[in-house]
Amino acid sequence: KAGVTQTPRYLIKTRGQQVTLSCSPISGHRSVSWYQQTPGQGLQFLFEYFSETQRNKGNFPGRFSGRQFSNSRSEMNVSTLELGDSALYLCASSRLGQATYEQYFGPGTRLTVT
Amino acid sequence: DAKTTQPNSMESNEEEPVHLPCNHSTISGTDYIHWYRQLPSQGPEYVIHGLTSNVNNRMASLAIAEDRKSSTLILHRATLRDAAVYYCIFNFGNEKLTFGTGTRLTIIP
Repeated sequence: KAGVTQTPRYLIKTRGQQVTLSCSPISGHRSVSWYQQTPGQGLQFLFEYFSETQRNKGNFPGRFSGRQFSNSRSEMNVSTLELGDSALYLCASSRLGQATYEQYFGPGTRLTVT
Repeated sequence: DAKTTQPNSMESNEEEPVHLPCNHSTISGTDYIHWYRQLPSQGPEYVIHGLTSNVNNRMASLAIAEDRKSSTLILHRATLRDAAVYYCIFNFGNEKLTFGTGTRLTIIP
């Protein structure tokens, strides 16, 4: 069974631009969660989508948004990029939800904002 | 947010058992305890999770205290591949998992 895939793997953007990251979950998984990982803040929860609906949201500004499609694939968008948005963005899928089911993480997208 | 307390770092000899402790005194009766680990330059990897009873799988065992305010992840025979940061986490009622800083486990050959 194929694992969680994320595209692109690496991205360089400049301040003020916007970016869209993509995540394809494991087949049959309906929950997709997004996390931001930085050396200073560690692994922080962004949001979780389940059946095309945002189920939970972390403490991030409105510049961070996401969506989920009917095939469970998910995208996250960051608008008006800031230098502090440089991070590893991880996507994780689970069968029915992160709270009670195991999550499987993708390799991440490394975003560098200059 | 859900708060867990773990040692910042631990060391263990190769081929010996490792006991990684975690305190989660604010856990509620319906919160699952999850353990993940992150190897260098990789995304986190699921290890084990449980609610009340002790749990075993091919990777590890999870021992949960009777009052559920603490738990211990047990690696029965550590290998060099087990060197990673181990995260103990639980959802906080609103089903939002929050990762702390974890325990950095070093395996000594």
